[in-house]
Amino acid sequence: SQQGEEDPQALSIQEGENATMNCSYKTSINNLQWYRQNSGRGLVHLILIRSNEREKHSGRLRVTLDTSKKSSSLLITASRAADTASYFCASSGSARQLTFGSGTQLTVLP
Amino acid sequence: KAGVTQTPRYLIKTRGQQVTLSCSPISGHRSVSWYQQTPGQGLQFLFEYFSETQRNKGNFPGRFSGRQFSNSRSEMNVSTLELGDSALYLCASSLSGQGISYNEQFFGPGTRLTVL
Repeated sequence: SQQGEEDPQALSIQEGENATMNCSYKTSINNLQWYRQNSGRGLVHLILIRSNEREKHSGRLRVTLDTSKKSSSLLITASRAADTASYFCASSGSARQLTFGSGTQLTVLP
Repeated sequence: KAGVTQTPRYLIKTRGQQVTLSCSPISGHRSVSWYQQTPGQGLQFLFEYFSETQRNKGNFPGRFSGRQFSNSRSEMNVSTLELGDSALYLCASSLSGQGISYNEQFFGPGTRLTVL
């Protein structure tokens, strides 16, 4: 498979806790993006980090990128029940397409 | 601005039939990409169109085809449907132009295709 891997596959936390998801990809990239999907609906873009960046913040989201390890992580701080969703990383390289990871199902318990 | 719209939202077909799905991108977006999502294979890239030209194609059989019109609207067609074609088909549009790396994609709600 050309897909990257994400871990954990599923994560269950209490409201207010932080959630960390990890992603590995296989080829060199121009950028790496994170998306959220609620229950079989369309994907919503969360954040994009370029290959020359190491860390990026957006609100309660923090993304890191380690191109030497071909890995990225997404941290959601102070999680809310509304954060319950599937989260996907997607790598973008020289080919004009997104290669998605397998996804992490996050459940935030009230 | 209106978001990406896809029609129909749900579709039931039988094996051997063909199907056409439609996608209207966000106004001003000229790049349209299609993805297939299944529980087993996850999200997989089908193809991308820009200015009515297919710029990239994923690893899918020739039964999967698409096109883009001058107003950037796109259609994808699947002929001779198989049970394994049951999936959520997602369309995404972006501002990505010539020479610009593949940036933020705006996804539609998807078309849920069931093949019986």
